[in-house]
Amino acid sequence: GAVVSQHPSWVICKSGTSVKIECRSLDFQATTMFWYRQFPKQSLMLMATSNEGSKATYEQGVEKDKFLINHASLTLSTLTVTSAHPEDSSFYICSARDLGGGTQYFGPGTRLLVL
Amino acid sequence: RKEVEQDPGPFNVPEGATVAFNCTYSNSASQSFFWYRQDCRKEPKLLMSVYSSGNEDGRFTAQLNRASQYISLLIRDSKLSDSATYLCVVKGNNDMRFGAGTRLTVKP
Repeated sequence: GAVVSQHPSWVICKSGTSVKIECRSLDFQATTMFWYRQFPKQSLMLMATSNEGSKATYEQGVEKDKFLINHASLTLSTLTVTSAHPEDSSFYICSARDLGGGTQYFGPGTRLLVL
Repeated sequence: RKEVEQDPGPFNVPEGATVAFNCTYSNSASQSFFWYRQDCRKEPKLLMSVYSSGNEDGRFTAQLNRASQYISLLIRDSKLSDSATYLCVVKGNNDMRFGAGTRLTVKP
Protein backbone atom coordinates (compact mmCIF):
# COMPACT_ATOMS: atom_id res chain seq x y z
CA GLY A 1 0.00 0.00 0.00
CA ALA A 2 0.87 3.65 -0.21
CA VAL A 3 3.51 4.84 2.21
CA VAL A 4 4.17 8.24 3.68
CA SER A 5 7.32 8.91 5.64
CA GLN A 6 8.19 11.68 8.03
CA HIS A 7 11.56 12.80 9.23
CA PRO A 8 12.60 13.17 11.93
CA SER A 9 10.41 10.89 13.99
CA TRP A 10 11.19 12.87 17.10
CA VAL A 11 13.12 15.99 17.95
CA ILE A 12 14.09 17.83 21.10
CA CYS A 13 15.19 21.42 20.75
CA LYS A 14 15.81 24.55 22.75
CA SER A 15 13.29 27.34 22.84
CA GLY A 16 13.86 29.83 20.04
CA THR A 17 15.26 27.42 17.50
CA SER A 18 13.59 26.41 14.26
CA VAL A 19 12.69 22.84 13.42
CA LYS A 20 12.02 21.43 9.96
CA ILE A 21 9.88 18.34 9.46
CA GLU A 22 9.80 16.53 6.14
CA CYS A 23 6.89 14.57 4.75
CA ARG A 24 7.41 12.33 1.75
CA SER A 25 5.08 10.16 -0.28
CA LEU A 26 7.25 7.19 -1.16
CA ASP A 27 5.41 5.37 -3.89
CA PHE A 28 2.84 7.80 -5.18
CA GLN A 29 2.53 11.42 -6.18
CA ALA A 30 0.62 13.71 -3.87
CA THR A 31 -0.83 16.93 -5.17
CA THR A 32 -2.18 17.75 -1.75
CA MET A 33 -0.59 17.26 1.64
CA PHE A 34 -2.08 18.07 4.99
CA TRP A 35 -0.38 18.96 8.26
CA TYR A 36 -2.02 18.08 11.54
CA ARG A 37 -1.10 18.65 15.16
CA GLN A 38 -2.22 16.52 18.07
CA PHE A 39 -1.83 17.43 21.72
CA PRO A 40 -2.07 14.69 24.36
CA LYS A 41 -5.52 13.16 24.66
CA GLN A 42 -6.88 15.49 22.00
CA SER A 43 -7.95 15.05 18.42
CA LEU A 44 -5.89 15.70 15.35
CA MET A 45 -6.29 19.33 14.40
CA LEU A 46 -5.73 20.38 10.82
CA MET A 47 -3.13 23.12 10.64
CA ALA A 48 -2.83 23.69 6.92
CA THR A 49 -3.39 22.23 3.49
CA SER A 50 -0.61 22.46 0.98
CA ASN A 51 -0.91 22.03 -2.76
CA GLU A 52 2.14 21.38 -4.85
CA GLY A 53 3.49 24.54 -6.36
CA SER A 54 1.19 26.95 -4.56
CA LYS A 55 0.90 28.60 -1.17
CA ALA A 56 -0.51 26.63 1.70
CA THR A 57 -3.95 27.32 3.08
CA TYR A 58 -3.86 27.75 6.84
CA GLU A 59 -6.65 27.01 9.27
CA GLN A 60 -7.98 29.77 11.45
CA GLY A 61 -5.72 30.43 14.39
CA VAL A 62 -2.60 28.91 12.82
CA GLU A 63 0.13 31.48 12.23
CA LYS A 64 1.50 31.14 8.73
CA ASP A 65 4.68 33.02 9.62
CA LYS A 66 5.39 30.65 12.46
CA PHE A 67 4.55 27.42 10.67
CA LEU A 68 6.17 27.65 7.26
CA ILE A 69 5.00 25.09 4.75
CA ASN A 70 6.69 24.32 1.48
CA HIS A 71 5.38 21.82 -1.08
CA ALA A 72 7.93 22.07 -3.82
CA SER A 73 7.38 18.69 -5.44
CA LEU A 74 4.71 16.03 -5.77
CA THR A 75 6.44 13.85 -3.21
CA LEU A 76 7.75 16.27 -0.60
CA SER A 77 6.26 18.81 1.77
CA THR A 78 8.07 20.44 4.67
CA LEU A 79 6.81 22.11 7.81
CA THR A 80 9.17 24.48 9.61
CA VAL A 81 8.30 25.52 13.13
CA THR A 82 10.09 28.83 13.49
CA SER A 83 11.28 30.14 16.86
CA ALA A 84 9.78 27.16 18.62
CA HIS A 85 8.47 27.53 22.16
CA PRO A 86 7.45 24.94 24.74
CA GLU A 87 3.77 25.36 23.82
CA ASP A 88 4.66 24.15 20.31
CA SER A 89 5.56 20.76 21.75
CA SER A 90 3.19 18.34 20.11
CA PHE A 91 2.76 15.40 17.75
CA TYR A 92 2.86 16.64 14.16
CA ILE A 93 1.40 14.34 11.52
CA CYS A 94 1.34 14.82 7.79
CA SER A 95 -1.05 13.24 5.36
CA ALA A 96 -0.80 12.92 1.61
CA ARG A 97 -3.54 12.48 -0.95
CA ASP A 98 -2.82 10.88 -4.28
CA LEU A 99 -3.45 12.40 -7.69
CA GLY A 100 -6.80 10.70 -7.92
CA GLY A 101 -7.99 12.80 -5.01
CA GLY A 102 -9.02 9.76 -3.05
CA THR A 103 -7.55 8.21 0.03
CA GLN A 104 -5.37 10.16 2.41
CA TYR A 105 -2.36 8.32 3.75
CA PHE A 106 -0.81 9.35 7.03
CA GLY A 107 2.81 9.63 7.95
CA PRO A 108 4.06 8.11 11.22
CA GLY A 109 4.23 11.50 12.90
CA THR A 110 6.95 13.61 14.44
CA ARG A 111 7.14 14.24 18.17
CA LEU A 112 8.47 17.68 18.95
CA LEU A 113 9.60 18.64 22.44
CA VAL A 114 10.72 22.20 22.97
CA LEU A 115 12.61 22.81 26.17
CA ARG B 1 -20.11 23.23 18.54
CA LYS B 2 -17.35 20.88 17.40
CA GLU B 3 -17.51 19.69 13.82
CA VAL B 4 -17.20 16.05 14.84
CA GLU B 5 -18.23 14.91 18.31
CA GLN B 6 -17.55 11.61 19.99
CA ASP B 7 -17.98 10.21 23.45
CA PRO B 8 -14.38 10.20 24.74
CA GLY B 9 -14.94 7.17 26.92
CA PRO B 10 -12.96 5.40 28.18
CA PHE B 11 -14.72 2.16 27.44
CA ASN B 12 -13.32 -0.70 29.49
CA VAL B 13 -14.76 -4.03 28.37
CA PRO B 14 -13.89 -7.70 28.85
CA GLU B 15 -12.69 -9.85 25.99
CA GLY B 16 -15.58 -11.10 23.91
CA ALA B 17 -17.82 -8.17 24.67
CA THR B 18 -19.70 -6.15 22.08
CA VAL B 19 -19.09 -2.42 22.19
CA ALA B 20 -20.59 0.45 20.21
CA PHE B 21 -19.23 3.92 19.52
CA ASN B 22 -21.23 6.88 18.33
CA CYS B 23 -20.31 10.03 16.50
CA THR B 24 -22.22 13.09 15.28
CA TYR B 25 -21.11 15.68 12.77
CA SER B 26 -22.30 19.21 12.17
CA ASN B 27 -21.69 19.82 8.47
CA SER B 28 -24.60 18.41 6.50
CA ALA B 29 -22.59 18.82 3.28
CA SER B 30 -20.01 16.27 4.41
CA GLN B 31 -19.38 13.69 1.76
CA SER B 32 -17.35 10.82 3.12
CA PHE B 33 -17.12 9.17 6.47
CA PHE B 34 -14.55 6.92 8.08
CA TRP B 35 -13.47 5.24 11.25
CA TYR B 36 -9.76 5.35 12.01
CA ARG B 37 -7.87 3.56 14.72
CA GLN B 38 -5.01 5.23 16.55
CA ASP B 39 -2.68 3.36 18.86
CA CYS B 40 -0.74 5.20 21.51
CA ARG B 41 1.96 7.43 20.03
CA LYS B 42 1.19 6.27 16.51
CA GLU B 43 -0.45 7.78 13.47
CA PRO B 44 -4.13 7.07 12.69
CA LYS B 45 -4.81 4.12 10.44
CA LEU B 46 -7.93 3.59 8.38
CA LEU B 47 -10.22 1.00 9.90
CA MET B 48 -13.13 1.27 7.50
CA SER B 49 -15.20 3.62 5.42
CA VAL B 50 -18.81 4.21 6.38
CA TYR B 51 -21.73 4.07 3.96
CA SER B 52 -25.40 4.84 4.28
CA SER B 53 -26.25 1.26 3.50
CA GLY B 54 -24.08 0.11 6.37
CA ASN B 55 -21.02 -2.02 5.94
CA GLU B 56 -19.36 -4.84 7.74
CA ASP B 57 -15.77 -6.00 7.92
CA GLY B 58 -15.38 -9.08 10.04
CA ARG B 59 -16.21 -8.15 13.61
CA PHE B 60 -16.66 -4.48 12.74
CA THR B 61 -19.89 -2.92 11.52
CA ALA B 62 -20.27 0.73 10.60
CA GLN B 63 -23.47 2.66 10.02
CA LEU B 64 -24.24 6.13 8.71
CA ASN B 65 -27.47 8.06 9.17
CA ARG B 66 -27.26 11.17 7.01
CA ALA B 67 -30.59 12.55 8.19
CA SER B 68 -29.44 12.50 11.81
CA GLN B 69 -25.80 13.21 10.92
CA TYR B 70 -24.83 10.25 13.01
CA ILE B 71 -22.19 7.55 12.55
CA SER B 72 -21.67 4.40 14.56
CA LEU B 73 -19.13 1.63 14.92
CA LEU B 74 -19.94 -1.75 16.45
CA ILE B 75 -17.21 -4.15 17.50
CA ARG B 76 -18.28 -7.71 18.24
CA ASP B 77 -16.29 -10.36 20.13
CA SER B 78 -13.72 -7.77 21.14
CA LYS B 79 -10.07 -8.83 21.35
CA LEU B 80 -7.25 -7.52 23.49
CA SER B 81 -5.71 -6.17 20.29
CA ASP B 82 -8.74 -3.95 19.72
CA SER B 83 -7.54 -1.69 22.54
CA ALA B 84 -6.93 1.68 20.92
CA THR B 85 -8.51 5.05 20.31
CA TYR B 86 -11.15 5.08 17.60
CA LEU B 87 -11.48 8.27 15.59
CA CYS B 88 -14.57 9.30 13.72
CA VAL B 89 -13.56 11.17 10.58
CA VAL B 90 -15.69 13.27 8.27
CA LYS B 91 -14.53 14.52 4.92
CA GLY B 92 -15.88 17.52 3.06
CA ASN B 93 -14.76 18.76 -0.32
CA ASN B 94 -11.11 18.89 0.48
CA ASP B 95 -10.02 17.95 3.95
CA MET B 96 -10.77 15.56 6.76
CA ARG B 97 -12.04 16.53 10.17
CA PHE B 98 -11.37 14.31 13.14
CA GLY B 99 -13.34 13.64 16.27
CA ALA B 100 -11.44 13.62 19.54
CA GLY B 101 -11.59 9.85 19.62
CA THR B 102 -13.06 7.21 21.88
CA ARG B 103 -10.64 5.25 23.99
CA LEU B 104 -11.27 1.50 24.20
CA THR B 105 -9.50 -0.89 26.56
CA VAL B 106 -10.27 -4.58 26.25
CA LYS B 107 -9.29 -6.56 29.33
CA PRO B 108 -8.68 -10.28 29.75
